[in-house]
Amino acid sequence: AQSVTQPDIHITVSEGASLELRCNYSYGATPYLFWYVQSPGQGLQLLLKYFSGDTLVQGIKGFEAEFKRSQSSFNLRKPSVHWSDAAEYFCAVGATSGTYKYIFGTGTRLKVLA
Amino acid sequence: GAGVSQSPRYKVAKRGQDVALRCDPISGHVSLFWYQQALGQGPEFLTYFQNEAQLDKSGLPSDRFFAERPEGSVSTLKIQRTQQEDSAVYLCASSSSGGTPRREQYFGPGTRLTVT
Repeated sequence: AQSVTQPDIHITVSEGASLELRCNYSYGATPYLFWYVQSPGQGLQLLLKYFSGDTLVQGIKGFEAEFKRSQSSFNLRKPSVHWSDAAEYFCAVGATSGTYKYIFGTGTRLKVLA
Repeated sequence: GAGVSQSPRYKVAKRGQDVALRCDPISGHVSLFWYQQALGQGPEFLTYFQNEAQLDKSGLPSDRFFAERPEGSVSTLKIQRTQQEDSAVYLCASSSSGGTPRREQYFGPGTRLTVT
């Protein structure tokens, strides 16, 4: 069965520090992978996506993610965190057949210290 | 252009009441998804429409949940005889994809349902 694991429920970093949010997936074929961000009271905003090709993907707001097939991972990174990055981050895998629904991880809540 | 909109944004229902949640997808988007997000959890798939056809309702938790999209645009998620475990944020998403997962889903702000 398809699944997504985000091992870190909460992460706290200082403003200006680097960030890595972990995501591991379980999927039979090459998955379609996404990172979304959710601010309080807001909907989900797409940060970046991976379908195929270059395994290092650039997204909005200075985020990037690297697809590593051998580790079944798609970790999100940012070199220097801003206070406005405080939010909840969700990794998702998109089914490549049938409904094309997304399967989400449980999320990582990021806190940024000034 | 306008994004996905949902109404109401907040709904409080007494246990046993029926509720109807509305989703206005992005104009022209073929695919529409409903997800349920419980507190502290990621969204979980409920149902999927391609135009007016409900192609997948495998995620609906019980027969109290019903969704429709009669004209292939606006969708309504209806929950009958609400229970406390129905308390969650209900997210709607739309996609221009009708046959490929390569088109990302655009999410609305959600409807927070609280059942008392």
